[in-house]
Amino acid sequence: GENVEQHPSTLSVQEGDSAVIKCTYSDSASNYFPWYKQELGKRPQLIIDIRSNVGEKKDQRIAVTLNKTAKHFSLHITETQPEDSAVYFCAANEITGRRALTFGSGTRLQVQP
Amino acid sequence: NAGVTQTPKFRVLKTGQSMTLLCAQDMNHEYMYWYRQDPGMGLRLIHYSVGEGTTAKGEVPDGYNVSRLKKQNFLLGLESAAPSQTSVYFCASSSSGGTYEQYFGPGTRLTVT
Repeated sequence: GENVEQHPSTLSVQEGDSAVIKCTYSDSASNYFPWYKQELGKRPQLIIDIRSNVGEKKDQRIAVTLNKTAKHFSLHITETQPEDSAVYFCAANEITGRRALTFGSGTRLQVQP
Repeated sequence: NAGVTQTPKFRVLKTGQSMTLLCAQDMNHEYMYWYRQDPGMGLRLIHYSVGEGTTAKGEVPDGYNVSRLKKQNFLLGLESAAPSQTSVYFCASSSSGGTYEQYFGPGTRLTVT
């Protein structure tokens, strides 16, 4: 099955700096890669996703890049703000009947004011 | 449109007790999933359903059972709770269309003493 590895596990940046979180996946057939943000005590919320036919996608201060050859994708947050502090999860889909997502282990981002 | 809801929000069980967690969605989604989230381990798939009347095992199914008698509801049962089942449980749903996006419920925090 699919295996997703995510790093770093923790990341601390100063307000206004950029943050980058990286993930690798194992199944070359995966074609959907979402990123979820989870605030303390809350549910995971989709913040951005990318499909395998696209190399980069942006939404205001966040962007995701995908390298299919190397089987890795990254989340980029620019001009970080304290409200960006949360745990971020990457995921990759399975091309099977269950249409499940396999999640990375998460990155705790702390933005220092 | 409530999305995905879960009951209860919190529960404390003694070892050996049983309980059922209820997940409901009002988006007419075919697919439903139960995950558990433990610190540092991301989200792990317990059981899933690809439609009314169908269920299947995920990666960590031991100690849990599920049922999907109605399309909108997905129940997770613990027959004999163990301390190792202390976790936060999330339900999610997704459509059978072209998107793999999963919508999460607010979670149930379960403690087994």
